[in-house]
This record gives sequence, structure tokens and C-alpha cells, in this order.
Amino acid sequence: DADVTQTPRNRITKTGKRIMLECSQTKGHDRMYWYRQDPGLGLRLIYYSFDVKDINKGEISDGYSVSRQAQAKFSLSLESAIPNQTALYFCATSSFSNEQFFGPGTRLTVL
Amino acid sequence: GEDVEQSLFLSVREGDSSVINCTYTDSSSTYLYWYKQEPGAGLQLLTYIFSNMDMKQDQRLTVLLNKKDKHLSLRIADTQTGDSAIYFCAENNQGGKLIFGQGTELSVKP
Repeated sequence: DADVTQTPRNRITKTGKRIMLECSQTKGHDRMYWYRQDPGLGLRLIYYSFDVKDINKGEISDGYSVSRQAQAKFSLSLESAIPNQTALYFCATSSFSNEQFFGPGTRLTVL
Repeated sequence: GEDVEQSLFLSVREGDSSVINCTYTDSSSTYLYWYKQEPGAGLQLLTYIFSNMDMKQDQRLTVLLNKKDKHLSLRIADTQTGDSAIYFCAENNQGGKLIFGQGTELSVKP
């Protein structure tokens, strides 16, 4: 079984809809991250959490929110999706060592 | 601010060596990483180098670090078609986060 899972893997939605992307991990890591990937821009950090009570904004948090429901779960919400949020979204986890382990990604299309 | 730069594309022939380059700005980074992303998949850690090292070799992979120039490179010897992927370099910053480059898409032609 995969250590970091993301659901859904693909999602097509319309402008203005609320969307939630979920991430679960079985690695026992405290730290979790949400990134978006766009061609030519690499990965950009949206939000991160170093433990269950800790939430921090990343480089591009506007239009997004997160919830750390448990050590193993970190969800990303788009309150009102817009087309320029069309991207590939990755969840990652790490221990204190900084090596990050990535989920398989969620491809989101906003029409 | 912190920045990591990579060229976007590299094309090589099967059997040749590939060299992917990266420059970074944060001189306080303790580790620098190379991640590989295969089509349709997430990123997987390929190798990393501690900042007090100049070189690290792991089978076909050689990582070179020039701290003075803030330049990192990944050399893949005897490149195979299975090496075709996007390669990301990343540095860790003092806040415990990783800063990624744009990714270099390696295309290996038979």
C-alpha cells in the first residue's frame, strides 16, 4: 500500500464550486505539505503543517484553505474554484529530516 | 529571496551521459536534493548531498556541489530510456521547507 495517498486522483469542476482534496499518510510523519505544479513553474508551496495544531501559509495560499484533522490527514480546500487553479496538486510528508515523500497527485481542472 | 533555477529541457541519446544543472541562492541550505518525477506520478527522492560535501556518487548518479558558485549538478551515466522524466533540484531553507526549481525535462532518444 502507498505511504501517501490522495483522493480524488482526477477532478473536473466548474468555476465557483467548493472543492476538497484529501491526503492521508501512513508514515507517521508530523509534517505535511500541499503543493501545486504548473508547467515551467515547478512546485509551489500552498500550505504546510508541522504538527496537528500548526498551520502555515506557503508561497501561494490565496484562494486556498487547509485542515489538519489528524496527524495522518491534511486536506486542501478551494472555497470558490477559478480556472487559474487548474493544476496538478501534490501532498507530501516529512519527518524532521526534511526528506519529503510525495503522493501520486490530483489533477484538477476548473472550467 | 530564496530561488532555485534550472533549465527546462535536456535531450540526450541513449548511452550518453546527461548533466542537469541547478543554481540556488540560499547559502545556509544544509541539504540539496534531486527528485525524479516520472509521467503521471509524484516526485521520488533520487539522491541528496550534504552541504559540506563536494561530490556524491551513487551507481550511475554523480552529484557535484560548488558552494562558492551555489551550483549543483546531477550527472547520469549511460542514460537509458527509463531515465526519461522531469528532474527537480531542491534546497532546504531555515524554516524547514523545501524550495524547488522549475524542473528539467530529460528526454532520452534511442
